[in-house]
Amino acid sequence: GAGVSQTPSNKVTEKGKYVELRCDPISGHTALYWYRQSLGQGPEFLIYFQGTGAADDSGLPNDRFFAVRPEGSVSTLKIQRTERGDSAVYLCASSLNRTGADTQYFGPGTRLTVL
Amino acid sequence: DQQVKQNSPSLSVQEGRISILNCDYTNSMFDYFLWYKKYPAEGPTFLISISSIKDKNEDGRFTVFLNKSAKHLSLHIVPSQPGDSAVYFCAASRVPGTYKYIFGTGTRLKVLA
Repeated sequence: GAGVSQTPSNKVTEKGKYVELRCDPISGHTALYWYRQSLGQGPEFLIYFQGTGAADDSGLPNDRFFAVRPEGSVSTLKIQRTERGDSAVYLCASSLNRTGADTQYFGPGTRLTVL
Repeated sequence: DQQVKQNSPSLSVQEGRISILNCDYTNSMFDYFLWYKKYPAEGPTFLISISSIKDKNEDGRFTVFLNKSAKHLSLHIVPSQPGDSAVYFCAASRVPGTYKYIFGTGTRLKVLA
């Protein structure tokens, strides 16, 4: 079946601009996650959605970052007033969210470059 | 504070031999561990996982070993194939509520033909 998809695959923007990154999870997966991967690092947790609500947004670095999932499926990560330090690959993952151990499946990521 | 550590940034192995990738963690509350493989320009792909109630889990050529007392896990690939060349990340989390995976920095495996 179809995996997690993310658009765009690449996004180049200028410092100070606003960007939106989109994630389509695997059908039937109720849990959705955003991670950020900087060069030479592993993915770092940003936010977790259970259904429509953000169950944990403790990983968002500051209030320029915001994410929504209005209908419990597609999610959008929004970054205001982008800074060069925001340049990274933004990964989305989804899972069934069963009780107990639950494997997350990742999309290909959006590479964001802030000039 | 890096809670999950992969101290070897790279590893080269001859085709057909065993690849051993290592991972250490510091948080004793972690009880679910995973390995992901990542090719360039792709997202991480789930490989294998292990719960803390086990010390070994095997899936084909891939075996993960967990040593809870040492807070150490390893991934064995036997036999290694050129297509296994990728960056391997280990990740850890807590059950229940396994939503927050903590990843290591990755090990780049190169399998030489």
